[in-house]
Parts: sequence; C-alpha cells; structure tokens
Amino acid sequence: EPEVTQTPSHQVTQMGQEVILRCVPISNHLYFYWYRQILGQKVEFLVSFYNNEISEKSEIFDDQFSVERPDGSNFTLKIRSTKLEDSAMYFCASSHLAGDTGELFFGEGSRLTVL
Amino acid sequence: AQSVAQPEDQVNVAEGNPLTVKCTYSVSGNPYLFWYVQYPNRGLQFLLKYITGDNLVKGSYGFEAEFNKSQTSFHLKKPSALVSDSALYFCAVRDMNAGNMLTFGGGTRLMVKP
Repeated sequence: EPEVTQTPSHQVTQMGQEVILRCVPISNHLYFYWYRQILGQKVEFLVSFYNNEISEKSEIFDDQFSVERPDGSNFTLKIRSTKLEDSAMYFCASSHLAGDTGELFFGEGSRLTVL
Repeated sequence: AQSVAQPEDQVNVAEGNPLTVKCTYSVSGNPYLFWYVQYPNRGLQFLLKYITGDNLVKGSYGFEAEFNKSQTSFHLKKPSALVSDSALYFCAVRDMNAGNMLTFGGGTRLMVKP
C-alpha cells in the first residue's frame, strides 16, 4: 500500500539553526500538507500546497517557515531560525484532490527537538 | 472558523465491551468529518469519514461513527473493544466551503483493559 514517508524521524538542533524536514507524498497525490503536534497537544495545521504554491496557511506558518517541492517528488518544510517552541512532531500529509471528500494520508512524522 | 471538541481526555473500557469516543464540531457550512487513530510513535491513520448520505458510517477495524446534525456530533463507536484498540483517537472536521484544512480535536486516549 502506498504511503507517505518522512525524513528524518528525529532531529536535534540548536536554537537559531536552520532545519529542513523532508517528505515524499504518495505518487499520484496532488495536495500536500504540513501539520505539527507539540507534545501533549492537538494536531495543528501549518500549510497546504498545490500546483507549486501555497494554497492555505495558518497563523503558525510565519516568515520563519517555508515549503517547496524542489524535484516533483519531495516536499520540504524549512524552518529558517529555529526557536525552542518549534520543538514538536511534524507530520506531512497528502491527498488526491482539492476541496474533495478524500482523507489525508499522513506520514509517521519527524520529531524536532530544539535545544 | 471551524473547531472540534473531544470532551474526554481518556476513555477506559474493558475488553469485549462497547466503546464510544465523543466528538462535537462547529463549522459555518456543511462538514466533512473524519476519525484518525495514532498508535505510539506512529503517524495518524485514517479510520473513517462522513461526507454525505447515511448517518452511520463504517470504517476500519470494526469502528463506526454516527453523524448527528442536530447535535453537531460525530461519536466513534465499536461494539466490542479489543486491547489492541488502545491508542489516541482524533476527530477532525473540514468545512466543505472553506478549503482543505482539517481541524483536529485534542484527542482522546482509549485504554482497553483485558
């Protein structure tokens, strides 16, 4: 069964450093998402991406965050200058169609620890 | 704005007994409703969804959920719980008139004891 894959599974970084989290969505999916889950808290939407541009973003997704799909398969989330409060599990997800009734398929997450 | 409430942080049930995990939602338009399950150190796995039609939807692993528009609820149910059902369950809603963003509830930890 096709699945969303994420790397790294865990990254530890120093505050102020740049981090790139990578995702390979399911191959025939067209919509890509990043969500995050701070330990013990709810899953929060960050951004959605379609046709090589951001379609929606939340208040969390400020200028420190960026996304891109550099090579048609990977979908990356970059945090330019990490803060302690960026420590969380970051989930990538993909879906087949926009505004559709389909479910999102999630990866297993990348745990980011900012020291 | 859309929101989801899961009023119980934890639900405890004995194996073989029926289980219910509660969810209520708020959207301005018509809702698409979803349940996901998260096992320890794993991602979110889709269980079931309500889009339209029959209010009772059936999903993976014997789970089902009932959409109740008047009560704005979408409770997750299973007739007979298994120890292996122990996990974190998330309800989520998408407003069909407001794009693709899924809004999740805070999650309910289900503990099934032998």
